Amino acid sequence: EPEVTQTPSHQVTQMGQEVILRCVPISNHLYFYWYRQILGQKVEFLVSFYNNEISEKSEIFDDQFSVERPDGSNFTLKIRSTKLEDSAMYFCASRTNNYGYTFGSGTRLTVV
Amino acid sequence: AQKVTQAQTEISVVEKEDVTLDCVYETRDTTYYLFWYKQPPSGELVFLIRRNSFDEQNEISGRYSWNFQKSTSSFNFTITASQVVDSAVYFCALYMDSNYQLIWGAGTKLIIKP
Repeated sequence: EPEVTQTPSHQVTQMGQEVILRCVPISNHLYFYWYRQILGQKVEFLVSFYNNEISEKSEIFDDQFSVERPDGSNFTLKIRSTKLEDSAMYFCASRTNNYGYTFGSGTRLTVV
Repeated sequence: AQKVTQAQTEISVVEKEDVTLDCVYETRDTTYYLFWYKQPPSGELVFLIRRNSFDEQNEISGRYSWNFQKSTSSFNFTITASQVVDSAVYFCALYMDSNYQLIWGAGTKLIIKP
């Protein structure tokens, strides 16, 4: 069964450093998403991406965040200058037109 | 306002008991989708079911069943004859075209004791 692949599974970074979280969505999906989950809390929407542009973003997704689909297969989330409160599990998802979401297994980001 | 409420923070039962996880949602949209996901201790999100707002048929899949009632805006999930492997956090989520995102409940931690 097709999968959404996220790398790395765990990233540790120093506060103030830039990180790039990588995702390979399912190849025939058109809608891409990033969600995050702070430990023990609910999953929160960050951004949706369709037709090579952001279609919706949350208040969390401020100027420190950016997304890119550089080569037609990867979908990346960049955090420019990480803060301690960015520590969370970040999930990438893609979906079909009939709302069949598939989530990746997540990247656990730890900012120290 | 759009919202998903999972009032049960944690449920603990003994193996083989039946357990129901509640989910109540709020939306003004007439077309929407409801989801249940399982998050085991390893952290990934495992899709369980998707239901659209026009399909109120209840569904059964093995030991899992779902009861969708638009009249009460609820989409409850029942596990029959629970097993230790069912221990996880279960999330209910709502999708609407009006804002292109999944809105998640706070999750219910289910503990199945042997």
